[in-house]
Amino acid sequence: QSVLTQPPSVSGAPGQRVTISCTGSSSNIGAGYDVHWYQQLPGTAPKLLIYGDSNRPSGVPDRFSGSESGTSASLAITGLQAEDEADYYCQSYDSSLSGSMVFGGGTKVTVL
Amino acid sequence: QITLKESGPTLVKPTQTLTLTCTFSGFSLSTSGVGVGWIRQPPGKALECLALIYWDDDKRYSPSLKSRLTITKDTSKNQVVLTMTNMDPVDTGTYYCAHRPGSSGYIGHWGQGTLVTVSS
Repeated sequence: QSVLTQPPSVSGAPGQRVTISCTGSSSNIGAGYDVHWYQQLPGTAPKLLIYGDSNRPSGVPDRFSGSESGTSASLAITGLQAEDEADYYCQSYDSSLSGSMVFGGGTKVTVL
Repeated sequence: QITLKESGPTLVKPTQTLTLTCTFSGFSLSTSGVGVGWIRQPPGKALECLALIYWDDDKRYSPSLKSRLTITKDTSKNQVVLTMTNMDPVDTGTYYCAHRPGSSGYIGHWGQGTLVTVSS
């Protein structure tokens, strides 16, 4: 069971907007630790998508956006494309676990 | 250009000790804020951070696996080594080496991963 909770799956038609939630607690997101998001295409290593709650690395399309509030964070994908079909993970740190890096359980995005 | 590459056995027997080496280039583990970690992923399951070692030799372990893990660094060789004792079939998965570039806490670069199977 992951420290950060994500929905197992979300789906949407091409062009639609989907959101993925990442729910934590007062010892991780609520404690002020930043949330980062990764995209993992099948058979490949994860790739950084969003860092510091809402910042996009160079090369990441602006269709991807992140936000954070209280003990939760969200990743939004607007204008969904077939190439966005992948697993998405949130990541932070947890003070109750000696400052360990923690991940969400992952969300599978399916493009209908 | 930052690269990381994992090396080690692909098959280990139950109760054996796993030793994985991460060889990296393009950054220094002596730079303030930098860390290198090991993250694993069982087949079809989520990512799990096993251990992180920082530039100042601070080490953080997964609390549930701490008793089985040791992470060390050799800055002169640009290598980080993870040992995991008493391997079990549930430890089967892909093991990634990863670069944490600074105090912001995200993983900026990942190795390609190495699949480790635990079976007799």
